[in-house]
Amino acid sequence: RKEVEQDPGPFNVPEGATVAFNCTYSNSASQSFFWYRQDCRKEPKLLMSVYSSGNEDGRFTAQLNRASQYISLLIRDSKLSDSATYLCVVNSGNNAGNMLTFGGGTRLMVKP
Amino acid sequence: GAVVSQHPSWVICKSGTSVKIECRSLDFQATTMFWYRQFPKQSLMLMATSNEGSKATYEQGVEKDKFLINHASLTLSTLTVTSAHPEDSSFYICSARDRAEPYSNQPQHFGDGTRLSIL
Repeated sequence: RKEVEQDPGPFNVPEGATVAFNCTYSNSASQSFFWYRQDCRKEPKLLMSVYSSGNEDGRFTAQLNRASQYISLLIRDSKLSDSATYLCVVNSGNNAGNMLTFGGGTRLMVKP
Repeated sequence: GAVVSQHPSWVICKSGTSVKIECRSLDFQATTMFWYRQFPKQSLMLMATSNEGSKATYEQGVEKDKFLINHASLTLSTLTVTSAHPEDSSFYICSARDRAEPYSNQPQHFGDGTRLSIL
């Protein structure tokens, strides 16, 4: 079983749609969680951290369920520029360890 | 903000060539840098953790004699792919942690990546 699992997609949605991505992780000791965005042939860029209380940044909402070891990302009012691969990322050590484990990514394509 | 520079961006070379990739932290000191590899349509896989002034820590299945890592200063780590073959063709990305930044804000800064193509 992969340490971080995501549905690879692709998710094809029209502009303005709401889309949700899910992610599960296997290590119950994981402490930090993130969503990254990666455009084709580019490096990943941090989209947002994920907190147990849930957090929102504009059109993006992330939630964490530690009991179910499940992370989600909701994108509202999708824009063409949201088309990318979204990576669920987990740090399973303490902060000093800094090691990140990446999910396989979920590809999103927003169409006019 | 903190920036990590990776060079070169793209390399095309013949089989058997050794290729060196540089990763520099431009405005912060990085005692630890990370090297990842990403094959098409796959996720980033950590290859090794580069430690300044000491030996790198390699992930299982990554040959240390094949992928030589040197972290001689607090701002520079290099990855050398020795005697590269077509199966080594991939997207190599480095990252570094700026300890002055809160972890939740930016756990690692990533370089732009190096696309390696071995003919």
